[in-house]
Amino acid sequence: DTEVTQTPKHLVMGMTNKKSLKCEQHMGHRAMYWYKQKAKKPPELMFVYSYEKLSINESVPSRFSPECPNSSLLNLHLHALQPEDSALYLCASSQGDLKGTEAFFGQGTRLTVV
Amino acid sequence: LAKTTQPISMDSYEGQEVNITCSHNNIATNDYITWYQQFPSQGPRFIIQGYKTKVTNEVASLFIPADRKSSTLSLPRVSLSDTAVYYCLVGDTGKLIFGQGTTLQVKP
Repeated sequence: DTEVTQTPKHLVMGMTNKKSLKCEQHMGHRAMYWYKQKAKKPPELMFVYSYEKLSINESVPSRFSPECPNSSLLNLHLHALQPEDSALYLCASSQGDLKGTEAFFGQGTRLTVV
Repeated sequence: LAKTTQPISMDSYEGQEVNITCSHNNIATNDYITWYQQFPSQGPRFIIQGYKTKVTNEVASLFIPADRKSSTLSLPRVSLSDTAVYYCLVGDTGKLIFGQGTTLQVKP
C-alpha cells in the first residue's frame, strides 16, 4: 500500500466554523507533512512531523493547528479561517529525512472558506 | 536550502524527448536532487532522485554534472499524458521546498 489518503476531498466552511482535515498512511513512514497550494503556485510547506513530534512549523498562523495522534495519522484543525485560506491542502509522508527516499503525497483537500 | 531555477514553461510534441534543466548554484555537499510531477488538482508524484552522475528509472533519466550546480530531467518519448508541472527540489533536511516549477505542455 503506497497511498496517502486525505479526507474530505472537498470542504466548504464559514469563517466562524471549526473543521478538521485528516491524513492517513500505512507505509510505516515516520515523517509527515502538511502543504498549502494556491492555484497555479507551488506547494508551500506548513508543518513537518517527525516520529510524531512537530519538528517544523513554517510560521503558520495559529488558526491552523496540526496534530499527530499516532504514526499513521495526521490532522489539521481549522478555526476562524479567512477567505484567503482557500486552497488545496496536501498531506505527504516519507520514511525519514528524505535522503535517498521519496515523499508520497495525498490527493489533497480542496478547501473553500466563505 | 539551495534555491532552484527552472524555465517557467516548455512545449513539446508527442514522441519527442524532453529535457528540463534546473539550476542550483548553491547546492550543498549533502544535498540530493529530486524531481516531482504534478497534475492539476492532484498531489505531486515522485519521479526520480539523484546525487551525482546519471540516474535512470522506468520513466525518466536524471543527469547531474560533476559540479552539481545544475541537473537535467530527461523524459523520453513524451505523450499527451505527460502534460504537467515538473518541480526540481534540492536539499538534505526533513523539508521539501518547492520552487516555481516548469509547466510542460505536450501537443499532438
